[in-house]
Amino acid sequence: GAGVSQSPRYKVAKRGQDVALRCDPISGHVSLFWYQQALGQGPEFLTYFQNEAQLDKSGLPSDRFFAERPEGSVSTLKIQRTQQEDSAVYLCASSSPRTTSGGPGDTQYFGPGTRLTVL
Amino acid sequence: GQQVMQIPQYQHVQEGEDFTTYCNSSTTLSNIQWYKQRPGGHPVFLIQLVKSGEVKKQKRLTFQFGEAKKNSSLHITATQTTDVGTYFCAGGTSYGKLTFGQGTILTVHP
Repeated sequence: GAGVSQSPRYKVAKRGQDVALRCDPISGHVSLFWYQQALGQGPEFLTYFQNEAQLDKSGLPSDRFFAERPEGSVSTLKIQRTQQEDSAVYLCASSSPRTTSGGPGDTQYFGPGTRLTVL
Repeated sequence: GQQVMQIPQYQHVQEGEDFTTYCNSSTTLSNIQWYKQRPGGHPVFLIQLVKSGEVKKQKRLTFQFGEAKKNSSLHITATQTTDVGTYFCAGGTSYGKLTFGQGTILTVHP
């Protein structure tokens, strides 16, 4: 597609439920990032993939959060046993064409986000 | 870890007035990027600054990167209602990870 897509756009979960959020990056983009944006705040980094390798997961708030990108394209962010504090918009961004190794300042293209509400 | 502070949190202006938002980092930045997010939307890339003291212009928008590469500013001349939104600065690392500021919410009264 022309841009980064995410699904679902909205997700309501009961506390304790598991959720899976999907990101389809721009075709050919090597780098993929997940961010969490709480209401009224700036996005906060969660994790980073270069192709299928998860090179930085320092932003994941707890071991309930897990991300994967098994074939270096689509990525899934999974949250187990959701808590109310997990309520936020989860943004996915991709950058850099496949022909380069990626580097500082590659423009990141953000998807529309998934708004997660945990009741 | 790296922290990026942004002020002011809110700015209300009359259409035609100027607007400035400031960004400060606790550490020297590899680069700084600016994004705009409309209400209900996602961050949209505006520009990237890499060099110390760099100044870039996009029509009515002027972006500056400090000499020490620890601060930056975005200035909008003669605001229009279409400028409404939240403006974020984000410090970039060597591989692209962004640390965002809290954002400045700009409202423009016609």
